[in-house]
This record gives sequence, structure tokens and C-alpha cells, in this order.
Amino acid sequence: AQTVTQSQPEMSVQEAETVTLSCTYDTSENNYYLFWYKQPPSRQMILVIRQEAYKQQNATENRFSVNFQKAAKSFSLKISDSQLGDTAMYFCASLGGSNYKLTFGKGTLLTVNP
Amino acid sequence: DADVTQTPRNRITKTGKRIMLECSQTKGHDRMYWYRQDPGLGLRLIYYSFDVKDINKGEISDGYSVSRQAQAKFSLSLESAIPNQTALYFCATSEFPRTDEQFFGPGTRLTVL
Repeated sequence: AQTVTQSQPEMSVQEAETVTLSCTYDTSENNYYLFWYKQPPSRQMILVIRQEAYKQQNATENRFSVNFQKAAKSFSLKISDSQLGDTAMYFCASLGGSNYKLTFGKGTLLTVNP
Repeated sequence: DADVTQTPRNRITKTGKRIMLECSQTKGHDRMYWYRQDPGLGLRLIYYSFDVKDINKGEISDGYSVSRQAQAKFSLSLESAIPNQTALYFCATSEFPRTDEQFFGPGTRLTVL
């Protein structure tokens, strides 16, 4: 079984600053994938970034990057130059196992203040 | 047009009523999923289907049933709705193994009074 833990229920950051959201996971799988999803007030689930566990290089998508520490089972999301539109709930998720289904954390509500 | 659609977008019903939530996709994906989102709990998997003849229970399937009418359609039913089934419901699709990404519909807000 997989578990995903997000220890920060809420965070806030000033516009243009950098913020890091934490995520830890547990899995017995050798091959798995990790994701960060964003859910703005529109409630749509939007994929922000993904990481394949067998790749050592940290994924980057524009202002979003991850710090993937496989041995520590840690997968944090860094948002640089925060924008008001980044205000949303962020979910960390893992995918793996024979059924390849997503397991989500409970989410972190990020508020970007002007 | 959206690739994954859900109907209705919002629904208010009463305890004991039968409710069906529908999901359609134009992505041509074989895999489809139903999730439930509750405040503070994230998304939890209700049912998933890897093709029309393959349907599996997720972690919280009690009180729900599903039907995969075609590759493009996957419906979720609440046979006798109860108030603790009030939640936001998401349908998702994926084209694994070509890609591991899941694509989500816009969600259905269900309220059971």
C-alpha cells in the first residue's frame, strides 16, 4: 500500500517570493511516479509537475520545481516568483503498484498575498 | 470541448434517493476512475476500470456501484444516497502505459440532504 503525507494544511507567501510545499510518501514499489496537482477555486484538478522515481534528476516546469529525495521518500514542490494565480490547493500524489492507481495526500492550501 | 466531461456539475438530492453521476471522455483512453474529495481528506479512489470488462473496487466502494457502458463512458451510482456521501466527485482517465498522467473531469458537487 502507498501512503502520501502532506504535513502543512495551509501556507501563505507574498507575491514574487518563493515557497516550498512538503510531501513525504511511503511505498514498497521499485517503480513509481510522483505528482503535484493544483486545484484552484474552479475545483479543476491540474497537473503541475511529475517525477519518475527511477530518474535522479529533479523535474522542473517553468517556475515549478521539485526536490526529490528518494532515500528519504520526500518530494517537495518549490514555487518561484509566486503569482496571485498560484493560490490553490496543492495535492501530492503517488502512482505505483500492480494496479497503478493514484494515492493522494490531504492537500496544502496555498495563498499568495499581494 | 473538454476531453473529460461530467454530468451533472451540481446536484442536490435527498436521503434514500438513487443518483447517477455520468462521465464521458473523448481522449480514447482505456482506463477510467472515480474519486471522491472531502475537505481535509484529499481524493480517495472509489472504483476504477481498465477496460470495458474490467472493473475494480477502490478504497471506499461501499455504498457505490459503477457501470462501464463503453470505452468512453463510466457512470457512478449511489443506490440509496446518505448525507455522508455529500462530497465532490471526480472522474479521471489515463492512457497507461503510454503515459502515467491522469486527466480529470471538472467534478460533480453532490449534496445529500
